[in-house]
Amino acid sequence: SAVISQKPSRDICQRGTSLTIQCQVDSQVTMMFWYRQQPGQSLTLIATANQGSEATYESGFVIDKFPISRPNLTFSTLTVSNMSPEDSSIYLCSGKGLAGVPQETQYFGPGTRLLVL
Amino acid sequence: KQEVTQIPAALSVPEGENLVLNCSFTDSAIYNLQWFRQDPGKGLTSLLLIQSSQREQTSGRLNASLDKSSGRSTLYIAASQPGDSATYLCAAKAAGNKLTFGGGTRVLVKP
Repeated sequence: SAVISQKPSRDICQRGTSLTIQCQVDSQVTMMFWYRQQPGQSLTLIATANQGSEATYESGFVIDKFPISRPNLTFSTLTVSNMSPEDSSIYLCSGKGLAGVPQETQYFGPGTRLLVL
Repeated sequence: KQEVTQIPAALSVPEGENLVLNCSFTDSAIYNLQWFRQDPGKGLTSLLLIQSSQREQTSGRLNASLDKSSGRSTLYIAASQPGDSATYLCAAKAAGNKLTFGGGTRVLVKP
């Protein structure tokens, strides 16, 4: 299996500021994703992080608000820009396509808990 | 647009009872369905993945069934233990890479 870590684990931020979340996978994965889990709700896919190119965003999410980088097969960052209280959420990194396991099995990081005041 | 629903939203059972968790999806054209466990502060752990061509998958005390025609999957946990207390999420994967998650069932197993 893959172990995915995220930094920071939690943060409290002021509105109007930006926060960059880091995601590190201990093995190479072909695909990485960023999800949001708002309070009391399930997970919603924000975007697919593509290595060396622009991320693919889901409807309702845009690059200016959630810029994403993926410089290699084990690392990605998500920035939450110009934050408002509505951005308070858990942000989860995910990866799949790990060698030696069923390719569709998806692994998740522990999440970053963000509170915007 | 795929919609995934989990009922009930919460479930409380005494230790030793079998758990039955339900998941329904609106679009039967899925590639697979995954069950996850979410513990507070620990993200999601993949439990079982059922391919669209399969009817069920088993791992230890866990058994998941899939009925594409009726748009349903069921997760059975035999002989529940307090350590099974968590939120259980199902997610359906259609074309592309997007997983559509249900709202989850929060399970409490009382000693």
